[in-house]
Amino acid sequence: NAGVTQTPKFQVLKTGQSMTLQCAQDMNHNSMYWYRQDPGMGLRLIYYSASEGTTDKGEVPNGYNVSRLNKREFSLRLESAAPSQTSVYFCASSDPTGYTFGSGTRLTVV
Amino acid sequence: AQSVAQPEDQVNVAEGNPLTVKCTYSVSGNPYLFWYVQYPNRGLQFLLKYITGDNLVKGSYGFEAEFNKSQTSFHLKKPSALVSDSALYFCAVSPISNTGKLIFGQGTTLQVKP
Repeated sequence: NAGVTQTPKFQVLKTGQSMTLQCAQDMNHNSMYWYRQDPGMGLRLIYYSASEGTTDKGEVPNGYNVSRLNKREFSLRLESAAPSQTSVYFCASSDPTGYTFGSGTRLTVV
Repeated sequence: AQSVAQPEDQVNVAEGNPLTVKCTYSVSGNPYLFWYVQYPNRGLQFLLKYITGDNLVKGSYGFEAEFNKSQTSFHLKKPSALVSDSALYFCAVSPISNTGKLIFGQGTTLQVKP
């Protein structure tokens, strides 16, 4: 089925560990986004990519890096995980008809 | 600063009654407005959007929203609530375009009781 695929769905990390969250879309969308969802705070933009080869910081970029590998894939990397990064992470893509969200990655940092 | 506010953390309504989930925004210019729904352990699903034109927008699952420019509001409504409507609802604004960055409200949990 067409859409946005995120992996993994769940992950537990120890403080200081690193990991990469993967995101791929098969809708040929130019724009892709990473959001984090925390209770009572809605979704906050971490990074976005308006097109292949470009990335820009969002509202809460500290502690994260991204790579727009190609038009399909947009990965989010945590270099040294902290408990404050415990959250649910959503990847999304968009075109002029609207946005499509992935099903999320639930990350716990202990 | 640009922001979106959903003043109610939770809305409770009896099945069959009308429901309203409130949203106000503080964004310059003519923003694009969206409503999304999230069921437990799922991603966000699109309900409806306002870009221009008629202030009353109709969307999925019988939901509609009313855009009020003078009050900078975009309230979500449904004439007759269903238990299956119980979920977390997010209002979102794109200040620039239909495909720009989204600014989300805090979310409102809708609880529909039988």
